[in-house]
Amino acid sequence: SQKIEQNSEALNIQEGKTATLTCNYTNYSPAYLQWYRQDPGRGPVFLLLIRENEKEKRKERLKVTFDTTLKQSLFHITASQPADSATYLCALPDTGRRALTFGSGTRLQVQP
Amino acid sequence: DSGVTQTPKHLITATGQRVTLRCSPRSGDLSVYWYQQSLDQGLQFLIQYYNGEERAKGNILERFSAQQFPDLHSELNLSSLELGDSALYFCASSGEVEGAYGYTFGSGTRLTVV
Repeated sequence: SQKIEQNSEALNIQEGKTATLTCNYTNYSPAYLQWYRQDPGRGPVFLLLIRENEKEKRKERLKVTFDTTLKQSLFHITASQPADSATYLCALPDTGRRALTFGSGTRLQVQP
Repeated sequence: DSGVTQTPKHLITATGQRVTLRCSPRSGDLSVYWYQQSLDQGLQFLIQYYNGEERAKGNILERFSAQQFPDLHSELNLSSLELGDSALYFCASSGEVEGAYGYTFGSGTRLTVV
């Protein structure tokens, strides 16, 4: 099955800076990769989807890259704000189960 | 409001008991997924239903079972509860069978087994 690695250490940055989170995966290369935001005690919220034939995807202040050679996705939040503080999860489809496998997430803390 | 409704929001029960968690998917979504999230394990996939039929199974214990009804709502049954079953249980739905366009999650049911 797919194994996903996200930095378990919290990322602390200053407001206005760019936050960069990493998602690495092993085994097969998925057809797409998704990013979610989760606030404490709440359900994850879908943010972005990037497909294997897309190098980069943007949505407002969010940018995602997908490198199938490195088996890595980078998630960037530009001009970060304290309201961006949350845990960010990457997720990949598991062909065997045909459901999403989620990484354990990276907690982002944006200091004002 | 995501459109996915989970009830109850909180549940406290004793070891050995049985509980039922309920999920109503977003209108029009045929796929329902159940996930368990505990502090030390992240989101663990339990089971998926698509239009009433079981489609995929994850690390779901034999003490747990689920079903999706004709009106597409789903129930997750947890029996012979143990302390380790304490967790947040999330339901998610998607509009197509593989969820390739993203899942919509409910706000979860927090289960505490004492």
